[in-house]
Amino acid sequence: AQKITQTQPGMFVQEKEAVTLDCTYDTSDQSYGLFWYKQPSSGEMIFLIYQGSYDEQNATEGRYSLNFQKARKSANLVISASQLGDSAMYFCAMSSNAGNMLTFGGGTRLMVKP
Amino acid sequence: EPEVTQTPSHQVTQMGQEVILRCVPISNHLYFYWYRQILGQKVEFLVSFYNNEISEKSEIFDDQFSVERPDGSNFTLKIRSTKLEDSAMYFCASSEASFNYGYTFGSGTRLTVV
Repeated sequence: AQKITQTQPGMFVQEKEAVTLDCTYDTSDQSYGLFWYKQPSSGEMIFLIYQGSYDEQNATEGRYSLNFQKARKSANLVISASQLGDSAMYFCAMSSNAGNMLTFGGGTRLMVKP
Repeated sequence: EPEVTQTPSHQVTQMGQEVILRCVPISNHLYFYWYRQILGQKVEFLVSFYNNEISEKSEIFDDQFSVERPDGSNFTLKIRSTKLEDSAMYFCASSEASFNYGYTFGSGTRLTVV
């Protein structure tokens, strides 16, 4: 069974600073994918970034980067130069070739202070 | 950019009534999913659908639930005899292929059972 753990229920960050949101996972599958989604107060799920288990380079998408440490089974999201619009819930999720569905963590609420 | 469309955005129903939540996945996607998010909680997998049949389902997806792809574009979730605890945000998602591809989520249907 897959499990995703996000240990930070809430975080504050000052505008323009970088912030790291933690995610650890547990799986016995060798091939899997890791995802981060943003959920603003309006409720939709917005895809941010993806990392495959065999990707050697950390994924980056604009201000988002994924710090992938396979041996530690962690996939932390780094947001650089935080903006007020980054205030939202952030979910880490994974899928594997054992099942196409996504397993989500409990989420981290990020609040950006002006 | 292609998107997954869900209707209605909000639905209020009386306990015991049947509801149908509708989704139009991205046209070239082959895998379809329903997820549920009870207010303030994590996103939970309900069911995945591929090649016109259920490929996986969670323990939540019991006889009260059913899915259907009645035509080439729509994907529906039917909840029979709704209960108060069915109140949640229901997300439809689709993906082009298997687990290491991106999942696109719809904006959700907020179901309130009264």
